[in-house]
Amino acid sequence: GENVEQHPSTLSVQEGDSAVIKCTYSDSASNYFPWYKQELGKRPQLIIDIRSNVGEKKDQRIAVTLNKTAKHFSLHITETQPEDSAVYFCAVTNFGNEKLTFGTGTRLTIIP
Amino acid sequence: DADVTQTPRNRITKTGKRIMLECSQTKGHDRMYWYRQDPGLGLRLIYYSFDVKDINKGEISDGYSVSRQAQAKFSLSLESAIPNQTALYFCATSDRQGRETQYFGPGTRLLVL
Repeated sequence: GENVEQHPSTLSVQEGDSAVIKCTYSDSASNYFPWYKQELGKRPQLIIDIRSNVGEKKDQRIAVTLNKTAKHFSLHITETQPEDSAVYFCAVTNFGNEKLTFGTGTRLTIIP
Repeated sequence: DADVTQTPRNRITKTGKRIMLECSQTKGHDRMYWYRQDPGLGLRLIYYSFDVKDINKGEISDGYSVSRQAQAKFSLSLESAIPNQTALYFCATSDRQGRETQYFGPGTRLLVL
């Protein structure tokens, strides 16, 4: 089955700096890569996703990049703010599978 | 997202007891999922269902069973609870059309003593 590794497990950055979280996957057939954000005590929610036919996608301060050859994708958050503090999960699937395999999560802390 | 609800939100039970966690959704989605979340392990899939009467095992189904009573309801049962089933349990739904995006319920925190 699919194996997803996520790094780092914890990340602290100064407010205003950038944060990068990376995930690698094993199944070359995977073609959909979402990122979920889970605030403390809350449910995970989708924040951005990318499909395999696209190399990069941006939504205001967040972006995701995909390198299919190397089988890794990354979440980039610029100009970090206190409300960015949360646990972030990457996930992977292919449309024939229709199940998401999640990474183990990254706890991001923004230092004021 | 009030469209996906879970009951109970918190539960304490004893080893050997049978318990049921319930999930309801008003989103009209056909696909439903049960995950458990443990610190450092992320979200792991227990069972999933793509329609009423369709039940599929996930990666950690041992010790659990499910029932899809209707399109809107998906229940998770622990037949004989054990302490290592202490975890946060999430239900999620997705749509046949936009099937990639999963919408999570608020979670059920379960403690097995």
